[in-house]
Amino acid sequence: GQNIDQPTEMTATEGAIVQINCTYQTSGFNGLFWYQQHAGEAPTFLSYNVLDGLEEKGRFSSFLSRSKGYSYLLLKELQMKDSASYLCAVRGTGFQKLVFGTGTRLLVSP
Amino acid sequence: ETGVTQTPRHLVMGMTNKKSLKCEQHLGHNAMYWYKQSAKKPLELMFVYSLEERVENNSVPSRFSPECPNSSHLFLHLHTLQPEDSALYLCASSQDVVGGLPYGYTFGSGTRLTVV
Repeated sequence: GQNIDQPTEMTATEGAIVQINCTYQTSGFNGLFWYQQHAGEAPTFLSYNVLDGLEEKGRFSSFLSRSKGYSYLLLKELQMKDSASYLCAVRGTGFQKLVFGTGTRLLVSP
Repeated sequence: ETGVTQTPRHLVMGMTNKKSLKCEQHLGHNAMYWYKQSAKKPLELMFVYSLEERVENNSVPSRFSPECPNSSHLFLHLHTLQPEDSALYLCASSQDVVGGLPYGYTFGSGTRLTVV
């Protein structure tokens, strides 16, 4: 079967650093994606990992360990606008199919 | 206009109504998807179309009927829905290049459906 786990909700303060974890068990692995979704809006692409290690993109970084079935999204210098849901998704084998976790709702307070 | 556009943004329908959701992409992608997003649940894949052919169904109830007349347009026809079908319906598109560049999906803003 396929299973993706991430915390339901996290809170942090402006200017801080937060790490959102994602663990997965899927049939086949062809990359892991992180998406950001503000309430009532479309999910937007944040990052992609297919090899082990850290990918850095400005304030956001994403890490992958394929042997552990584990990834995290690191957000630095948090801003109020970072309050959103963060979706972890794994692309399995076969046709471009993405399997999503339930998402982590991040609340950033002043 | 660029990206993935969905209409309507909001829809309220009775259980005996028939309605359709529309999705249009201007990205030149060759695959389109319908996802259902319910509260506290993962995004659920409903339908996949590649090059206008449906390739996956995932046992969606027959009251949902997809149509893909060309690579830029995707419809979801709805009839005799149930209250539990109330959710956000998201359309997405991607370029199907297996083993190629790490393309993810581009999502539309969704249609918020309420069945009364």
